[in-house]
Amino acid sequence: GAVVSQHPSRVICKSGTSVKIECRSLDFQATTMFWYRQFPKQSLMLMATSNEGSKATYEQGVEKDKFLINHASLTLSTLTVTSAHPEDSSFYICSAPTDTDTQYFGPGTRLTVL
Amino acid sequence: GNSVTQMEGPVTLSEEAFLTINCTYTATGYPSLFWYVQYPGEGLQLLLKATKADDKGSNKGFEATYRKETTSFHLEKGSVQVSDSAVYFCALETNQAGTALIFGKGTTLSVSS
Repeated sequence: GAVVSQHPSRVICKSGTSVKIECRSLDFQATTMFWYRQFPKQSLMLMATSNEGSKATYEQGVEKDKFLINHASLTLSTLTVTSAHPEDSSFYICSAPTDTDTQYFGPGTRLTVL
Repeated sequence: GNSVTQMEGPVTLSEEAFLTINCTYTATGYPSLFWYVQYPGEGLQLLLKATKADDKGSNKGFEATYRKETTSFHLEKGSVQVSDSAVYFCALETNQAGTALIFGKGTTLSVSS
């Protein structure tokens, strides 16, 4: 099946720094990618929809200036958490639909902000 | 709005026991329904799906039937194995193709030998 990768898998940073997370579709092109956030023992919550060649669409309550999304190509979307704070610590997951609309998920990135 | 509700865990079973994880949904129109599994340390994997009423999705011995009359998509397996220990997520996709999924909170299954 299709593969979606994320990098890094785990990152620890100091409060106030910025962290970039990459999401790549390895064997298919994706004009749309989705970014989710998963809190411990909770569900995945959609943060934003990343659109190749245009601005991302953010869900209500998600700060677009804090969570910068760039869909640089048909195989790469990046999420940058700017000026990270401890409350941003979470598990971030991306997904991408194939041309048959099957969603494939990345393995996730564990962010810990000290 | 659209939402998914699934039974809270954890669910603890012995090997070869019967498994049911309940899932109900609220949605307008005719959504597609999914079960995803997340093994420890891994990403979400599609387990099975159903795209219309009365469809039955099945994979690896797991089954779920799309019941529109009860707005349910319960996951079942007749005989669980230790390797089935994971977190299971029920999800829906609205009838607009290519949209993000809406997930339930997940149910942790722990199977002991």
